[in-house]
Amino acid sequence: GAGVSQSPSNKVTEKGKDVELRCDPISGHTALYWYRQSLGQGLEFLIYFQGNSAPDKSGLPSDRFSAERTGGSVSTLTIQRTQQEDSAVYLCASSLIAGEETQYFGPGTRLLVL
Amino acid sequence: GDSVTQMEGPVTLSEEAFLTINCTYTATGYPSLFWYVQYPGEGLQLLLKATKADDKGSNKGFEATYRKETTSFHLEKGSVQVSDSAVYFCALRLTGTASKLTFGTGTRLQVTL
Repeated sequence: GAGVSQSPSNKVTEKGKDVELRCDPISGHTALYWYRQSLGQGLEFLIYFQGNSAPDKSGLPSDRFSAERTGGSVSTLTIQRTQQEDSAVYLCASSLIAGEETQYFGPGTRLLVL
Repeated sequence: GDSVTQMEGPVTLSEEAFLTINCTYTATGYPSLFWYVQYPGEGLQLLLKATKADDKGSNKGFEATYRKETTSFHLEKGSVQVSDSAVYFCALRLTGTASKLTFGTGTRLQVTL
């Protein structure tokens, strides 16, 4: 596609439910990144993929958060047993290869946990 | 750890005013430095970057110079327009390591007529 796409654009869920957030990177981009943008914490790195493997998961805040990438393309970020502090905008970015300077960002998924 | 500090916003300017948004960083290595911009309702976009000391990044009339001695990367524009109203993020990425970007908290710029 023309750019990074994310779905859904907005998600409202109840505390304790699981959610899945999807990211479609730019076609041909091998590196994919997840970030979280929240009022209290600013923009934080969560995890990045090179191909289907995740060399750096250091930003995942707890074991309730997991992510996978299949076929070197689409990635899914899963949050289990959501908490109110998980409310944030989840941003996905991609770059041609890991280490390339320019990361292209998607529009984000706004998650609200009630 | 590595970190980026930006001036608090919001910054409110009249059209054609001079803009400076301060950014300083702390890094254990030799980072590349970036400014990203987020226009209302849109995703983050790369505005400019600099990869080594004394490099100047520029785009759309914005400039920032990588100052190693002061660990700074201040964003400047000589004459802002209403269309520049957005949130600006300073960020760093360490060279030769994991590819994550470390962001500042963002500075909201509001330009009025």
